[in-house]
Amino acid sequence: GAGVSQSPSNKVTEKGKDVELRCDPISGHTALYWYRQSLGQGLEFLIYFQGNSAPDKSGLPSDRFSAERTGGSVSTLTIQRTQQEDSAVYLCASSPSRSPETQYFGPGTRLLVL
Amino acid sequence: GDSVTQMEGPVTLSEEAFLTINCTYTATGYPSLFWYVQYPGEGLQLLLKATKADDKGSNKGFEATYRKETTSFHLEKGSVQVSDSAVYFCALIDNTDKLIFGTGTRLQVFP
Repeated sequence: GAGVSQSPSNKVTEKGKDVELRCDPISGHTALYWYRQSLGQGLEFLIYFQGNSAPDKSGLPSDRFSAERTGGSVSTLTIQRTQQEDSAVYLCASSPSRSPETQYFGPGTRLLVL
Repeated sequence: GDSVTQMEGPVTLSEEAFLTINCTYTATGYPSLFWYVQYPGEGLQLLLKATKADDKGSNKGFEATYRKETTSFHLEKGSVQVSDSAVYFCALIDNTDKLIFGTGTRLQVFP
């Protein structure tokens, strides 16, 4: 069946521009996570959506980062006024339950800020 | 806060060699421990897990044992194949129910 998909797969942007990254979770999965993987770093938690509950935004590194999840399905991560240090692979994962170990990961979006 | 430390890569091996990728953790209590694998061009996927001390997780010929006394969860495989070439991540679930990952270790297996 279809897994988690992310688009675009690669994005090159100029410093100061805004970018939007999209995640299509597995149908029916109630939980959705965003992570960032910078060069030489582990996966860093950014934000977590669970059903209709308020999202856990505790991992967002600055107010330039925001995310929304429309209709409990597709999610968009927005980075405003991008900086070079935002260059990373952004991973999305979805899960059918509250258990974090049942996450299914997408292939990621590789973002390069020039 | 909780953290995971993995050996730096890349690890380069010939086919059929023995593999060890070291992982140690720092955590409050006794978290569940995991190994994830990311094959080229694919999403991260769960390889194996262990939920309590002395548990051994295993899958696809890989094994890891939860060692409380050394706070370790080293990944091993007796005979690697070219198809095992990937990036391997050690992880734990912290007390806020989030996955905490190590930096990943790239494994390259040559025929």
